[in-house]
Amino acid sequence: QSVLTQPPSASGTPGQRVSISCSGSSSNIGSHTVNWYQQFPGTAPKLLIYSNNQRPSGVPDRFSGSKSGTSASLAISGLQSEDEADYYCAAWDGSLNGVVFGGGTKLTVL
Amino acid sequence: QVQLQESGPGLVKPSQTLYLTCTVSGGSISSGGYYWSWIRQHPGKGLEWIGYIYSSGSAHYNPSLSSRVTMSFDTAKSQFYLILRSVTAADTAVYFCARDVVGYSWIDPWGQGILVTVSS
Repeated sequence: QSVLTQPPSASGTPGQRVSISCSGSSSNIGSHTVNWYQQFPGTAPKLLIYSNNQRPSGVPDRFSGSKSGTSASLAISGLQSEDEADYYCAAWDGSLNGVVFGGGTKLTVL
Repeated sequence: QVQLQESGPGLVKPSQTLYLTCTVSGGSISSGGYYWSWIRQHPGKGLEWIGYIYSSGSAHYNPSLSSRVTMSFDTAKSQFYLILRSVTAADTAVYFCARDVVGYSWIDPWGQGILVTVSS
């Protein structure tokens, strides 16, 4: 059971906009920034969004993040087949004094 | 840029101790501002934070594993280590080492991961 809650799956067709939610609590998302990771099968996760809505160099601006209260969201616009991957949200947790992750959302491009 | 690489056994027997090494290149593990972290992923499952060690030598572990985990580092070798005692089949996972920015939990970069199977 993950500390942060994400839907197990999401899907969309090419060109569509999809959104993935991440729900937490006051000890994590409510008081710390949210980061998102993208993982392809057999590879390590890659930092996709940091500090709620910042993109590392090289990440397309089709990816965006937002946070409100104890929830966060990752949006992908202009969906492409290469976006098919697992997406994880994460945040620092002040009670754990460590990082907590969501259970991951498998994105399928139909 | 900084790169991390895990190494260690791919197979460990139940009740034994797992020793993993993470070698850091392109940067110094003695520089402040980063937590040098271990994260694991059970087959087909999500990510689980194991813990971190800081350049001061202080470490913090996930309470669910803290009784069995120790982390350390060797700055001369630019390596940090994970020791997991009394392993069981439930410890079978891909283990990643990674760098985490203090205060922000920006985990980047990650090592490629090493699959550790616990089996007799």
